[in-house]
Amino acid sequence: DAGVIQSPRHEVTEMGQEVTLRCKPISGHNSLFWYRQTMMRGLELLIYFNNNVPIDDSGMPEDRFSAKMPNASFSTLKIQPSEPRDSAVYFCASSFRLTSYEQYFGPGTRLTVT
Amino acid sequence: KQEVTQIPAALSVPEGENLVLNCSFTDSAIYNLQWFRQDPGKGLTSLLLIQSSQREQTSGRLNASLDKSSGRSTLYIAASQPGDSATYLCAVRDTNAGKSTFGDGTTLTVKP
Repeated sequence: DAGVIQSPRHEVTEMGQEVTLRCKPISGHNSLFWYRQTMMRGLELLIYFNNNVPIDDSGMPEDRFSAKMPNASFSTLKIQPSEPRDSAVYFCASSFRLTSYEQYFGPGTRLTVT
Repeated sequence: KQEVTQIPAALSVPEGENLVLNCSFTDSAIYNLQWFRQDPGKGLTSLLLIQSSQREQTSGRLNASLDKSSGRSTLYIAASQPGDSATYLCAVRDTNAGKSTFGDGTTLTVKP
């Protein structure tokens, strides 16, 4: 299996621009998680889906952030408009089922907003 | 709200030494606890998953224990090697529909 796939791996954009991060979970996994990692705040859960349905988005920092999962093999995290404080590494993870199974992480997208 | 603490934040040991990393959590109502390894600039690699009903899990030189009642887990690394140098994170998945909370990690350096 190819593991969790994220694209792009690196993104540099200017403040105010729209940013879209993409994730393909491991085939057969029905739960997907979006995390953000910074030096100051560590690893934070932003939102997670179960069977393509958002379960908890309480970690999404602001309305500028939105996430979708149109099907079992694809999810996006969008930031519009982006700000310098959004600079971080964004990870996507998937799990076979929501609770009792391991989470597998993708390589992450390093976002820099100038 | 679940809080996860990892102590120490950093640890440096000579090669060959056995060591223990600690993870504590405030809410014992958990589904499981997972240990990860993160190399600089990389994603997280799963090491061990302990279900709430289990006391320990082993994989090679790694052994993780869980004491849910006291809110503690340890990761034991036997015969450490320079290749074990990385940041080790623990994550607690609580009963709130699978939400995970991560500790800040312990950065391990194994000197040759």
